[in-house]
Amino acid sequence: QSALTQPPSASGSPGQSVTISCTGTSSDVGGYDYVSWYQQHPGKAPKVIIYDVSKRPSGVPDRFSGSKSGNTASLTVSGLQAEDEADYYCYSYAANNNRVFGTGTKVTVL
Amino acid sequence: QLQVVQSGAEVKKPGASVKVSCKTSGYSFHTFWLHWVRQAPGQGLEWLGRINPNSGDSDYAQNFQGRVTLTRDTSISTAYMELSGLRSDDTAVYYCVRVAKGYFYFDLWGQGTLVTVSS
Repeated sequence: QSALTQPPSASGSPGQSVTISCTGTSSDVGGYDYVSWYQQHPGKAPKVIIYDVSKRPSGVPDRFSGSKSGNTASLTVSGLQAEDEADYYCYSYAANNNRVFGTGTKVTVL
Repeated sequence: QLQVVQSGAEVKKPGASVKVSCKTSGYSFHTFWLHWVRQAPGQGLEWLGRINPNSGDSDYAQNFQGRVTLTRDTSISTAYMELSGLRSDDTAVYYCVRVAKGYFYFDLWGQGTLVTVSS
């Protein structure tokens, strides 16, 4: 099972939006609506911010949104804030009961 | 209080095995699948496998088949991950994570256990 492909980095100024892509195959991202996104600050455990492609857990700001088209899922962070600077990982259920993470994207708030 | 508390850091020599524990509290241990995820220094997240604490059934990532074993002790609400044939590239933080019931995402993470493999 190959890792899902994410851009290594993304950046934006405070208040702007940034979108991160997560590309897989029809055996993972494209085949199931079970994509979740995790935010990880340095030295901390990841935290879920989106699940089931576009749902937000309680307590996660609505600045975070998710979507999917074909084999690519996307995470958009609107109204960037300093505390959004972190690493972001997508994660998907995959065929044959596998699971796979994305390669990760470092978001920098300029 | 919901908690997943893992055992402390380990230093192992190449070829050895390591067993990391994951003690849960604040919820019914039998009810939620537990997964193991690792992160090498400066690298991304990697899925190792999962265990059903109720039945003991487990699934493993293909890359780790035959090297990782997941077990549990229901009497003390604790899961274990044992990795054998350690290599230097197994140096990583290993996380025990709970899956939200009925879903496919992780809702509760352990603090992580650093395993260092060095001669």
